[in-house]
Amino acid sequence: AQKVTQAQTEISVVEKEDVTLDCVYETRDTTYYLFWYKQPPSGELVFLIRRNSFDEQNEISGRYSWNFQKSTSSFNFTITASQVVDSAVYFCALMMYNFNKFYFGSGTKLNVKP
Amino acid sequence: NAGVMQNPRHLVRRRGQEARLRCSPMKGHSHVYWYRQLPEEGLKFMVYLQKENIIDESGMPKERFSAEFPKEGPSILRIQQVVRGDSAAYFCASSPRGDRGNEQYFGPGTRLTVT
Repeated sequence: AQKVTQAQTEISVVEKEDVTLDCVYETRDTTYYLFWYKQPPSGELVFLIRRNSFDEQNEISGRYSWNFQKSTSSFNFTITASQVVDSAVYFCALMMYNFNKFYFGSGTKLNVKP
Repeated sequence: NAGVMQNPRHLVRRRGQEARLRCSPMKGHSHVYWYRQLPEEGLKFMVYLQKENIIDESGMPKERFSAEFPKEGPSILRIQQVVRGDSAAYFCASSPRGDRGNEQYFGPGTRLTVT
């Protein structure tokens, strides 16, 4: 069975702090995809990144970086120098190779205070 | 280029009524997905449709729920005889193809409240 766990329900930081959002996944398949989505207060989900299971290279995009470690089944997301606009709920999601549907974690609500 | 459109954004129904949720995918997208988000939870997959076909309905409740994506017009998620437990946010997503690992583009959701 597939499962995604985001153990941090809610995190509060002060602007300019770095923050890491944890994501642990479970699957017996060797081929899969991992995603992160952001859900701002307006409600729609915004795509942030996709990783396939063959590519364990870490990725950096501006203030965002992702650490994918197959050995620990984790795909963590770090925001450097957080800003108030980063306040949102962040979802980690797993997609199996032959299926076009997501298994979402329960989300982490990030509050960035000025 | 308009994103995924969902309407209504908010819908209130009394127990026993029917709820119809509409989703217009992004232009050029022929694959639609419906997800349900219960309060304080992540999104749960319900159904995956291509034009005129249901590809995967493994997440749909067996009764009262149905979905369609006709050749013309939006995709419709229909809930008959709603109950309080159906209160949730329903999200639609679309993708241009059914390729593996395709990014899905999400709409703003319809928040259904059953009174």
